[in-house]
Amino acid sequence: DTAVSQTPKYLVTQMGNDKSIKCEQNLGHDTMYWYKQDSKKFLKIMFSYNNKELIINETVPNRFSPKSPDKAHLNLHINSLELGDSAVYFCASSHRSQGTGNTIYFGEGSWLTVV
Amino acid sequence: GQNIDQPTEMTATEGAIVQINCTYQTSGFNGLFWYQQHAGEAPTFLSYNVLDGLEEKGRFSSFLSRSKGYSYLLLKELQMKDSASYLCAVKGVNTGFQKLVFGTGTRLLVSP
Repeated sequence: DTAVSQTPKYLVTQMGNDKSIKCEQNLGHDTMYWYKQDSKKFLKIMFSYNNKELIINETVPNRFSPKSPDKAHLNLHINSLELGDSAVYFCASSHRSQGTGNTIYFGEGSWLTVV
Repeated sequence: GQNIDQPTEMTATEGAIVQINCTYQTSGFNGLFWYQQHAGEAPTFLSYNVLDGLEEKGRFSSFLSRSKGYSYLLLKELQMKDSASYLCAVKGVNTGFQKLVFGTGTRLLVSP
């Protein structure tokens, strides 16, 4: 029944490690996103893919690399983790929209703690 | 660029009415969303406005004035479970695709 699911939900790792977060949606959407929510609860877009093609790439360090094997999946790989990467990472999906009210649906979030 | 402002925190009592304001400046506008986020959970969709006026949905209503760059979320008959963060988000346009930019959120605390 889960619409947007992401794993793992919790991740504690050491600085310098490489980790991945996986995301899958079963809503039939063609666009997927990664958002980062920091300690101040500010939710900011990182990447967006439409039909496996990167369409939004905000100012994010090169250590973050999204990968979309198909339009239902968008994974996030992070190299050389730093303390400042500690945050909640939300995957989301929607239909492509050019002025209509297509809602973005969020996954449950992945709590990443870098120690 | 885009700039979205909303109060950081508000308090209200059960059964009351509260209005959460949001002002925005954007280079492109294709609608405004309100999301609710309980602590430790994902944001969930509440409302969407693209034309001026009031959209009512049960106890929640959302208003938009595009000329003033202003929106508000009105919550009536407050319940304890309404204690959450309320996120205002503006949909801009990025090379033809939607891009949702969020404000910092307003934390609402409902007391008995």
